[in-house]
Amino acid sequence: ETGVTQSPTHLIKTRGQQVTLRCSSQSGHNTVSWYQQALGQGPQFIFQYYREEENGRGNFPPRFSGLQFPNYSSELNVNALELDDSALYLCASSVYSLNTEAFFGQGTRLTVV
Amino acid sequence: AQSVTQLGSHVSVSEGALVLLRCNYSSSVPPYLFWYVQYPNQGLQLLLKYTTGATLVKGINGFEAEFKKSETSFHLTKPSAHMSDAAEYFCAVSFTGGGNKLTFGTGTQLKVEL
Repeated sequence: ETGVTQSPTHLIKTRGQQVTLRCSSQSGHNTVSWYQQALGQGPQFIFQYYREEENGRGNFPPRFSGLQFPNYSSELNVNALELDDSALYLCASSVYSLNTEAFFGQGTRLTVV
Repeated sequence: AQSVTQLGSHVSVSEGALVLLRCNYSSSVPPYLFWYVQYPNQGLQLLLKYTTGATLVKGINGFEAEFKKSETSFHLTKPSAHMSDAAEYFCAVSFTGGGNKLTFGTGTQLKVEL
């Protein structure tokens, strides 16, 4: 059974650029949630994908968007990057109907310069 | 709406001493409660969870937590701290039917001293 994997682990982008982060969910999980963790803060919920559709969104602007694929993997896209987007982005997978724990990946460290 | 408050952004204990990390929650519906640990530059690892049933829950690495509805608390304890426990700890809440959308506290950095 594989865990949650995220790619890339680190990347540096310039303000105004666009970025795509990827997440492979744990085997048997059908739900993927994305979180942003700024330095020294707790993770903040961005959005969740279930059945390839957005299923809830936190207080993030529309330039944060996502996709979920038939194999339950997911992408997080951020357009028009701002310096404040610099953070650790965490992906979590779970089984929606069970409402049990979410399993987290190692995260992608995004630095915007 | 739900929220989590962790009292004390930094806690320091001696090796072998009791660890107590505080968490209070606010939720308009019965909550599910979680404690996660994060080591530097890593993701989050689940320590323990409360969903239903027994209010005292035991987790990994000797940690436990007690759900107290009357106090809206879910404090994390460990009888004897070990150097390897030094990390950041996050309390989180979700709710029935919420599909595992977690609301996290701001975290408590635990330092363990010799």
